[in-house]
Amino acid sequence: EIQLVESGGGLVEPGGSLRLSCVGSAFTFRKYCMNWVRQAPGKGLEWMATINQDGSEKYYLDSVKGRWSISRDNGKNSLYLQMNTLRAEDTAVYYCARGGISTPWAPIDDWGQGTLVTVSS
Amino acid sequence: QSVLTQPPSASGTPGQRVTISCSGSGFNIGNNAVNWYQQLPGTAPKLFIYANNQRPSGVPDRFSASKSGTSASLAINGLQSEDEADYYCASWDDSLNGWVFGGGTKLTVL
Repeated sequence: EIQLVESGGGLVEPGGSLRLSCVGSAFTFRKYCMNWVRQAPGKGLEWMATINQDGSEKYYLDSVKGRWSISRDNGKNSLYLQMNTLRAEDTAVYYCARGGISTPWAPIDDWGQGTLVTVSS
Repeated sequence: QSVLTQPPSASGTPGQRVTISCSGSGFNIGNNAVNWYQQLPGTAPKLFIYANNQRPSGVPDRFSASKSGTSASLAINGLQSEDEADYYCASWDDSLNGWVFGGGTKLTVL
């Protein structure tokens, strides 16, 4: 069974930084695009970033460009999200989500359980 | 405000047919496939429909979906209590170069 396990969430002050991690198992991690999607409390899903198989292509939501960085280590089956200059409105559950084997716009088909990030003083 | 527009709520009684709409633009639904996700309370989303109308294994055939132009819809036949959940549509947006989601529709089984 495919597993995606996120970690790294927690409480951080406004302006602070946090690095989220996600480890994938039971599938060939290096063959898939990967994504981060978040969900603020009581709100809907919001895509944040996508990275292609070898990390050479990265796509970001406009509001996080220049602040955040998505990366991956295929040798460790791991996906990362470095979040800098965090704001209160970044408070959300952050999901690691598996994308397509062909293109970044192939369906997101599996999700982790999520890690909660709370930005508050 | 979400790029894709869904009704915030929908409801029906057991056995009824319910449809949920999703409206977008030529940059997303009009030019790319639509996927639908089911999210049960307190859990991660689950892919329920991909490529406009394809069901992953394990999704009941009571669920179907279609796309026309810049709109899509999800239909649930023979509504059951376990269908009560939030449903989200999603599509890649060529202008934003990323995924866009609908705001979600909360389905209530009366």
